[in-house]
Amino acid sequence: QVQLQESGPGLVKPSQTLSLTCTVSGGSISSGSYYWSWIRQPAGKGLEWIGRIYTSGSTNYNPSLKSRVTISVDTSKNQFSLKLSSVTAADTAVYYCARDDYGDYDLFHWGQGTLVTVSS
Amino acid sequence: DIQLTQSPSFLSASVGDRVTITCRASQGISSYLAWYQQKPGKAPKLLIYAASTLQSGVPSRFSGSGSGTEFTLTISSLQPEDFATYYCQQLNTFGQGTKLEIK
Repeated sequence: QVQLQESGPGLVKPSQTLSLTCTVSGGSISSGSYYWSWIRQPAGKGLEWIGRIYTSGSTNYNPSLKSRVTISVDTSKNQFSLKLSSVTAADTAVYYCARDDYGDYDLFHWGQGTLVTVSS
Repeated sequence: DIQLTQSPSFLSASVGDRVTITCRASQGISSYLAWYQQKPGKAPKLLIYAASTLQSGVPSRFSGSGSGTEFTLTISSLQPEDFATYYCQQLNTFGQGTKLEIK
């Protein structure tokens, strides 16, 4: 059974770049036709889809975040990563990584989430 | 961009009740719709995908229907563990959520 685990700094200063990694266990990140996704959720609010990367490296991003987001994959470490630049307090949220099994954006497997706070 | 509107935003119900949550899309989206359940402090859990396909391991009291612009999630007989927040999703957009509370 695939498992996903987010990791990264819990505190980021305004204007800096938020960097998170999702480590995949229970299977190779490069096997299968999966999309590896990032989603976030500010405290007490709803879910926001950030973007995804296919095993080939092709990406899709939320248009509202596209100018600041980069998602990449490191198959040697069985990880994929999120970078969000020029962060503000509005980027404070729980960040989840997840796996989209069929390419239809349906998220079958999720990490537990990690809280990132943007504050000086 | 497509917008998804869930109704109601809050729902109070009792164990054993049948409840329905609606998700309306701003434009037709065929059957590309998923439903998630989220409990406090936990990641969302996929319940339904392709509008009506029950994810493996999800109890059969959950069902989904609809196509085009209107979709529903129905819980046939509420159980104590079903009190949570529910989200619909189409492609890169989520609905605002429906919080289901105990009456």
